[in-house]
Amino acid sequence: GQNIDQPTEMTATEGAIVQINCTYQTSGFNGLFWYQQHAGEAPTFLSYNVLDGLEEKGRFSSFLSRSKGYSYLLLKELQMKDSASYLCAVRRNSSYKLIFGSGTRLLVRP
Amino acid sequence: DTGVSQDPRHKITKRGQNVTFRCDPISEHNRLYWYRQTLGQGPEFLTYFQNEAQLEKSRLLSDRFSAERPKGSFSTLEIQRTEQGDSAMYLCASSRDGSSYNEQFFGPGTRLTVL
Repeated sequence: GQNIDQPTEMTATEGAIVQINCTYQTSGFNGLFWYQQHAGEAPTFLSYNVLDGLEEKGRFSSFLSRSKGYSYLLLKELQMKDSASYLCAVRRNSSYKLIFGSGTRLLVRP
Repeated sequence: DTGVSQDPRHKITKRGQNVTFRCDPISEHNRLYWYRQTLGQGPEFLTYFQNEAQLEKSRLLSDRFSAERPKGSFSTLEIQRTEQGDSAMYLCASSRDGSSYNEQFFGPGTRLTVL
């Protein structure tokens, strides 16, 4: 089966850096996605990793270690609008569906 | 707006009634997915289509749930004899083969409340 773990909640200060971790256990790994979801809204795509290493996209970066079953999402220069849930999801070779973790609710304080 | 659209946005029904939701994917997206999300949880996969073919269905999906995508464009999700446990946000997403990551784009969801 699959198991995806993320912290339930995190709090950070505006302007700071926060790292949201995700660990997973799955067979036939074929990519890891990060999505952002504001309360009451649809998830929006942030990043994708399929090879080990860091992918940087503006203030957001995502890292993957396939051997450790580990990823993190790094958010720099936090803004109040970054307060949202951040969802980690994996895709397997056998399917295009995404398997989501429960999400990490991030609160950015002034 | 050329994103994924869903209708209705909200649905309140009584236990035992049937409900049907519609999803219109992004134009030219050949894959369409249905997920269900409850408060404090991530989306849970229900089923997905490649064009008009339903390729995968979650084992969690009971026989009361059925989905169609008759012409490979819009899709409908029907829930028969609704139960209170069906109350959730039903999300639709679409993706296109050949895109960089085959990432899924989500619609705004249909919030179902079963009384």
